[in-house]
Amino acid sequence: SQQGEEDPQALSIQEGENATMNCSYKTSINNLQWYRQNSGRGLVHLILIRSNEREKHSGRLRVTLDTSKKSSSLLITASRAADTASYFCATDAQAGTALIFGKGTTLSVSS
Amino acid sequence: DGGITQSPKYLFRKEGQNVTLSCEQNLNHDAMYWYRQDPGQGLRLIYYSQIVNDFQKGDIAEGYSVSREKKESFPLTVTSAQKNPTAFYLCASSIHWTGDLAKNIQYFGAGTRLSVL
Repeated sequence: SQQGEEDPQALSIQEGENATMNCSYKTSINNLQWYRQNSGRGLVHLILIRSNEREKHSGRLRVTLDTSKKSSSLLITASRAADTASYFCATDAQAGTALIFGKGTTLSVSS
Repeated sequence: DGGITQSPKYLFRKEGQNVTLSCEQNLNHDAMYWYRQDPGQGLRLIYYSQIVNDFQKGDIAEGYSVSREKKESFPLTVTSAQKNPTAFYLCASSIHWTGDLAKNIQYFGAGTRLSVL
């Protein structure tokens, strides 16, 4: 059962531009995570935001969480060609339960 | 190097054959997971294991089997009962299956791509 839905499904931008992708989920969560997947590879954890947090930063990444709207956004500032990848949000409905991943947003950054 | 190793990278299955995908971790993680990824789709949970000698079915366990005899290893067998096995299979691990949110971060292997001959 997929809980998260990323939007848009695909995003194409130029280097230097900002990229924003959104994630909506259905049930209450403990935390929300964002992962990155390069083509044909495994996923890499980017950032975790807890349900009682509203915003978190890590380098060029900014994540927001709105639990009232059951949504999160991932902003990548000053995008680089190396940011080209698929980005997934993942949630766990209860502490200690398995993560549930969305279908992902495919980001393409051209130079 | 610490991490998760999946092998083989590519695997081909013949009709009626069982195949086993290997997943080994040297991160000393308690929990391990198997996911299936189809093109343009997210990850779907097949099986997970919280501790040695224990595992639970995920959302799509039918046609798959696992074992967890050692902390480091969590092999996945795709049986002949799985009629549509062609997919990208990902193994992951996390430090501990607890209520501590930070310990629910998962670390992934590079994946095994399974195709049917």
